[in-house]
Amino acid sequence: QQPVQSPQAVILREGEDAVINCSSSKALYSVHWYRQKHGEAPVFLMILLKGGEQKGHEKISASFNEKKQQSSLYLTASQLSYSGTYFCGTEGGYQKVTFGTGTKLQVIP
Amino acid sequence: DVKVTQSSRYLVKRTGEKVFLECVQDMDHENMFWYRQDPGLGLRLIYFSYDVKMKEKGDIPEGYSVSREKKERFSLILESASTNQTSMYLCASSFPSSGGNTGELFFGEGSRLTVL
Repeated sequence: QQPVQSPQAVILREGEDAVINCSSSKALYSVHWYRQKHGEAPVFLMILLKGGEQKGHEKISASFNEKKQQSSLYLTASQLSYSGTYFCGTEGGYQKVTFGTGTKLQVIP
Repeated sequence: DVKVTQSSRYLVKRTGEKVFLECVQDMDHENMFWYRQDPGLGLRLIYFSYDVKMKEKGDIPEGYSVSREKKERFSLILESASTNQTSMYLCASSFPSSGGNTGELFFGEGSRLTVL
């Protein structure tokens, strides 16, 4: 079952902040975050593991609430290059990674 | 650099044809995945494999099968293609997210399949 992402789409001006949320109905081992630009493959941003460990790019921050089975991605001081579709992927064990429907982010000057 | 290569970027097939989508990775990854991507539906997992000859159903396995005879290669098979299988297919690979690995998925460029 796919995790639920919100919002579905957001438009920001350069320099503004945004939060993208990801929620699952199942217990999670880890949460992945990826960004996909139009016509390109998704690119890894961050993984958050059960127990609090995070691995990924230093400029991206995210949180993982294991009890609520939720994660949030925080984009601060947005740049034009942040535009794209963001996907969360949830892993409930056994290496199976299931993605949400995506959040389309557009940053305008 | 890690490379995940999908054999065909664009394919056009007819209803009822058997279709093979090939994926090869060069990083000795244990895990390999097949997703399909459709507008508004995100990335949906078809099948994944955590070892040679091992396969697990994803969320939408109906109408598909897979083969993993070698560690580096993961094939997606459409036994009898139908128009509702017209989609972008993405292959990905990763190490398990344990130990010193991030579990990061590396994606191929995708194969756009059109079934007429």
